[in-house]
Amino acid sequence: GPKVLQIPSHQIIDMGQMVTLNCDPVSNHLYFYWYKQILGQQMEFLVNFYNGKVMEKSKLFKDQFSVERPDGSYFTLKIQPTALEDSAVYFCASSYPDWGASAETLYFGSGTRLTVL
Amino acid sequence: GQGVEQPAKLMSVEGTFARVNCTYSTSGFNGLSWYQQREGQAPVFLSYVVLDGLKDSGHFSTFLSRSNGYSYLLLTELQIKDSASYLCAVRDPGNAGAKLTFGGGTRLTVRP
Repeated sequence: GPKVLQIPSHQIIDMGQMVTLNCDPVSNHLYFYWYKQILGQQMEFLVNFYNGKVMEKSKLFKDQFSVERPDGSYFTLKIQPTALEDSAVYFCASSYPDWGASAETLYFGSGTRLTVL
Repeated sequence: GQGVEQPAKLMSVEGTFARVNCTYSTSGFNGLSWYQQREGQAPVFLSYVVLDGLKDSGHFSTFLSRSNGYSYLLLTELQIKDSASYLCAVRDPGNAGAKLTFGGGTRLTVRP
């Protein structure tokens, strides 16, 4: 099936540094999402994105977070500066712009495990 | 807002069945999805329901009751490899691309 690729799979950084998580969504998808999952816990919505703009962001999407997709390249999540509580797995997802069942299918990447020391 | 609740764990026996329950409370309803997530892997879409009743998709079936804010995922003829977490998610009403709110997931263990 369609694949969403996330790079890197693991990232270890020191608190206060900047990190950029990269996502290559399914080619014809136009809606993009970031979710955060702490080990063994709930998948939590961070932000969704369409046509170059943030649609909605949650309370978890702090001022230190930003997203962009310049010129149809990677969809990125940047955290600057990072904090200890940012340690988690970050999942990128994309979906097809249509109504009905196909619109409801989010395709997820395998995640980036971020460890902030 | 949206609230989605699932039991944390469920255990069943190979060759039998398992029913994973999900309750939700929403300010609007635009469908409910089920995903399977294996340890350390991405969630994978299983099913989407928006109308009441049972939707039979073979190994996986889903039931929805909108008046009760309740859904279940039914797995039949269980195999050991069905051991995974099963996530229930409801979509915000409104435009395409609206966020999904996930429950905490139910970790299903299938034993021989």
